Amino acid sequence: KNQVEQSPQSLIILEGKNCTLQCNYTVSPFSNLRWYKQDTGRGPVSLTIMTFSENTKSNGRYTATLDADTKQSSLHITASQLSDSASYICVVSPRSGGSYIPTFGRGTSLIVHP
Amino acid sequence: DGGITQSPKYLFRKEGQNVTLSCEQNLNHDAMYWYRQDPGQGLRLIYYSQIVNDFQKGDIAEGYSVSREKKESFPLTVTSAQKNPTAFYLCASRDQLTGATGGYTFGSGTRLTVV
Repeated sequence: KNQVEQSPQSLIILEGKNCTLQCNYTVSPFSNLRWYKQDTGRGPVSLTIMTFSENTKSNGRYTATLDADTKQSSLHITASQLSDSASYICVVSPRSGGSYIPTFGRGTSLIVHP
Repeated sequence: DGGITQSPKYLFRKEGQNVTLSCEQNLNHDAMYWYRQDPGQGLRLIYYSQIVNDFQKGDIAEGYSVSREKKESFPLTVTSAQKNPTAFYLCASRDQLTGATGGYTFGSGTRLTVV
């Protein structure tokens, strides 16, 4: 069964600090991995996408890494801001199946304090 | 602006009532999806549609129904058979031509509460 596990479940940091969120998956065959940011009461918004051959992808202060051999990904947030407070969801899509229905992680809830 | 619109943002349902959640997109996407989100859980797929007049059940379809009469619209009905409907419902669409790499565009969600 395809699974996506995220850690930690929740995280509290001070404004200006860095943090790293983890994602482990068992989706196979693998196509791509996305990180989404979901503000409270809103729909998720895509931050990064990585395919099998990509090791790292940046989007401003967000940097995602992928190790397809160990099936692990991380999302690093640099110089955190109050607006980074949100849930971060790891989503892995299969390469086949026609409908390409992805598997969602449960998310990491990040709170940034001033 | 292209996007996906869900309405209403908040919805209250009485016991035994059916309610319909609206989802409209102007992105010209063929595929549309309904997900349910509960606290501490990942998004769970209710129904999806890849083409007009066709749809498939997801992992938790029981107690829900959908229709896809137009490409732009994919309404979700929460029936009285759904025993625990209180949740945050997300609609999404996707460009099928992008294949596996195409990501979802999500609506802003509808929060349904049973009163």
